[in-house]
Amino acid sequence: EPEVTQTPSHQVTQMGQEVILRCVPISNHLYFYWYRQILGQKVEFLVSFYNNEISEKSEIFDDQFSVERPDGSNFTLKIRSTKLEDSAMYFCASTATTGWKQYFGPGTRLTVT
Amino acid sequence: SQQGEEDPQALSIQEGENATMNCSYKTSINNLQWYRQNSGRGLVHLILIRSNEREKHSGRLRVTLDTSKKSSSLLITASRAADTASYFCATDTTGANSKLTFGKGITLSVRP
Repeated sequence: EPEVTQTPSHQVTQMGQEVILRCVPISNHLYFYWYRQILGQKVEFLVSFYNNEISEKSEIFDDQFSVERPDGSNFTLKIRSTKLEDSAMYFCASTATTGWKQYFGPGTRLTVT
Repeated sequence: SQQGEEDPQALSIQEGENATMNCSYKTSINNLQWYRQNSGRGLVHLILIRSNEREKHSGRLRVTLDTSKKSSSLLITASRAADTASYFCATDTTGANSKLTFGKGITLSVRP
């Protein structure tokens, strides 16, 4: 079965630094998402992206966050100035069409020190 | 309470027994999905049930959906030690372009 991939698997950064998390969604998918999961907590929606624009974003997704699909394959999440509370597992997901399952990547564990 | 709440929060059973996990939600949904997460790992999609479906099977998994009670159950039959993981239900409301709202998850431990 096709897979969503994410890099890096683990990123350690200092508070205030910028990080870019990368995802390669499944090739024929059109809808892309970022979620995060703080350790021991539930998975939370950050943003959805379709047709090269954000279609929905949560309260968590403030001005420090941005997403981009710079080419036909990558989908990135940038955090401009990381905070300690941004430490979490970040998951990318994609789906092909209306009302179908979302395929999740293995996640990037972000640790902000 | 929140959209997509599972119970129990933790379940410990013996290998070979059945495991039943429940999920309740608040708002009307389009689909309900169950995911599995092994410790510190990614989310693996298990099964999707649409709002107009009442029951679905996939291998040892059986999912039911009761939209009148806004609840779903996931049954894993003949459990194995490898089923040990956290299980989450997730709902969406408007189709593929919509976000998934996850519950807090159930930790299932299957003792060999």
